[in-house]
Amino acid sequence: SAVISQKPSRDICQRGTSLTIQCQVDSQVTMMFWYRQQPGQSLTLIATANQGSEATYESGFVIDKFPISRPNLTFSTLTVSNMSPEDSSIYLCSADRYQETQYFGPGTRLLVL
Amino acid sequence: KQEVTQIPAALSVPEGENLVLNCSFTDSAIYNLQWFRQDPGKGLTSLLLIQSSQREQTSGRLNASLDKSSGRSTLYIAASQPGDSATYLCALRRGGSEKLVFGKGTKLTVNP
Repeated sequence: SAVISQKPSRDICQRGTSLTIQCQVDSQVTMMFWYRQQPGQSLTLIATANQGSEATYESGFVIDKFPISRPNLTFSTLTVSNMSPEDSSIYLCSADRYQETQYFGPGTRLLVL
Repeated sequence: KQEVTQIPAALSVPEGENLVLNCSFTDSAIYNLQWFRQDPGKGLTSLLLIQSSQREQTSGRLNASLDKSSGRSTLYIAASQPGDSATYLCALRRGGSEKLVFGKGTKLTVNP
């Protein structure tokens, strides 16, 4: 199994600012992902965080808005840039090894005023 | 494009009842399927993972089945308890893809 932690757990931000969310896994994993869950909705994949290279973004998500880093096998960051109230969501990090059980972090609850 | 559907969207049952949650998918070329639970405002907890070659997996009071030919998976919860109240999500991974495709979930309420 893998235990995933995220920081911060929640934040309230002003529009136009940026927030960086950290994701730490307690053991080496092959894949790391970032999801967004808007109120009352299911999960939407933002991007796959690739170690040492640019993330792979899903349709509708761009690097300028959601820059992602993954410097090693156990750590990744997601930045939500130039925030607007529409960015208010739960942001979730997940990870797996070789397409087996995917584990999720506890999420970061973001409110943009 | 793979689509995952979970019906019903919400379910309310009395404590002690056995229940079944449904998950259907359009493309049978799946690699594996995973069931999660999500408590309000929290992350996802993995419950069971079924490989495409398996028919079912069991963990405690939970049993998940997979029928690729009919495009269905079910999550059976025996002797439900109020602590089982949560949203249950199914997600599948297509062969050759690292990504999970999620259903919208079934919100379960178990009444004492």
